[in-house]
Amino acid sequence: EAGVAQSPRYKIIEKRQSVAFWCNPISGHATLYWYQQILGQGPKLLIQFQNNGVVDDSQLPKDRFSAERLKGVDSTLKIQPAKLEDSAVYLCASSRGVEQYFGPGTRLTVT
Amino acid sequence: RKEVEQDPGPFNVPEGATVAFNCTYSNSASQSFFWYRQDCRKEPKLLMSVYSSGNEDGRFTAQLNRASQYISLLIRDSKLSDSATYLCVVNPSGTYKYIFGTGTRLKVLA
Repeated sequence: EAGVAQSPRYKIIEKRQSVAFWCNPISGHATLYWYQQILGQGPKLLIQFQNNGVVDDSQLPKDRFSAERLKGVDSTLKIQPAKLEDSAVYLCASSRGVEQYFGPGTRLTVT
Repeated sequence: RKEVEQDPGPFNVPEGATVAFNCTYSNSASQSFFWYRQDCRKEPKLLMSVYSSGNEDGRFTAQLNRASQYISLLIRDSKLSDSATYLCVVNPSGTYKYIFGTGTRLKVLA
């Protein structure tokens, strides 16, 4: 079974630029999560989808972050404009039950 | 008070030692609890779920204390390969939302 795929793996941008991350969950997993993990901290949930509907986006900074999951499969997370404090690893995870399966993450550096 | 709190460590222990971590949670209505393991620069992976009756998997034992609102992870006979960050995860409401602790870093020394 293929795991959660994410791209790109690394991205370096300047502040005020925009960036997009892509996630392909495990086939058949209805729930998809985007997490932000800052160095030295645990993952923080940004947004959770159930199929193509948003279940929770209470911690998503909506003035600069947006996410979509068209057709209930792939998902994209966008940041526009980026700030220095957005430097982090962005993890995508999917689940069918209680266990979450994480992708390798995208390491974002904002300079 | 944070929803999920862990001692960040690091816990430095010799090979063969027994080590235990605790994790406290603030929401008494929390339903499900998990320990995830995260290796350096890797993604988190489920280590074990924590059941009310406790859960044991080889050298690893997880326990839940609802009265005091904490979960624990015990690792016996530590191996070098156990060196990682151990993340406590709490499901506060019975939905598929998960709150992660900051993680406890373990270093097993030869």
